[in-house]
Amino acid sequence: AQTVTQSQPEMSVQEAETVTLSCTYDTSESDYYLFWYKQPPSRQMILVIRQEAYKQQNATENRFSVNFQKAAKSFSLKISDSQLGDAAMYFCAYRRNTGNQFYFGTGTSLTVIP
Amino acid sequence: ETGVTQSPTHLIKTRGQQVTLRCSSQSGHNTVSWYQQALGQGPQFIFQYYREEENGRGNFPPRFSGLQFPNYSSELNVNALELDDSALYLCASRGQNQETQYFGPGTRLLVL
Repeated sequence: AQTVTQSQPEMSVQEAETVTLSCTYDTSESDYYLFWYKQPPSRQMILVIRQEAYKQQNATENRFSVNFQKAAKSFSLKISDSQLGDAAMYFCAYRRNTGNQFYFGTGTSLTVIP
Repeated sequence: ETGVTQSPTHLIKTRGQQVTLRCSSQSGHNTVSWYQQALGQGPQFIFQYYREEENGRGNFPPRFSGLQFPNYSSELNVNALELDDSALYLCASRGQNQETQYFGPGTRLLVL
């Protein structure tokens, strides 16, 4: 069974600083996708970044980047130059390449301190 | 905005009642999934529909059922509501051969 673990229920960061959110997952598959989603207080879940497991290069989207360690089954999200609008719940998610189901972690609540 | 809408935004029901939640996907998105998100938890997969047929289901009982329509809209029906069904219900859609799914804002259901 696939499981996704986010061990940091809450994190905080000073505005303009960098923060890293952790995620580990358990799978026996070799081909899959990993995602970070952001859920602000308005509730709508928004895709932050996506990583294909077959790609060794870490994905980057502007201030957001990941550290994907396939052997360690680790997928952390780094947010650089944190902004007040980054405050939200962040969910790590996994999907098998041939599967339909997304598996989500329990989330990390990020607070950005002005 | 993700182009996925849901209605209603909030709903209050009593135990034993039935409820229908609605979702409108982006045009061209022929796959829709429904999730239950309990307070303080991550979304849990209920089921997925592809071209109007269910093609994947999580660990939810049969009283959770769904429909998908040709116009990219879909429904989640829950019969015999229980107190534990109180949650945020999210729908998410994606196009064929797309890995990323796009979420709606959710419907907050409270069962009393």
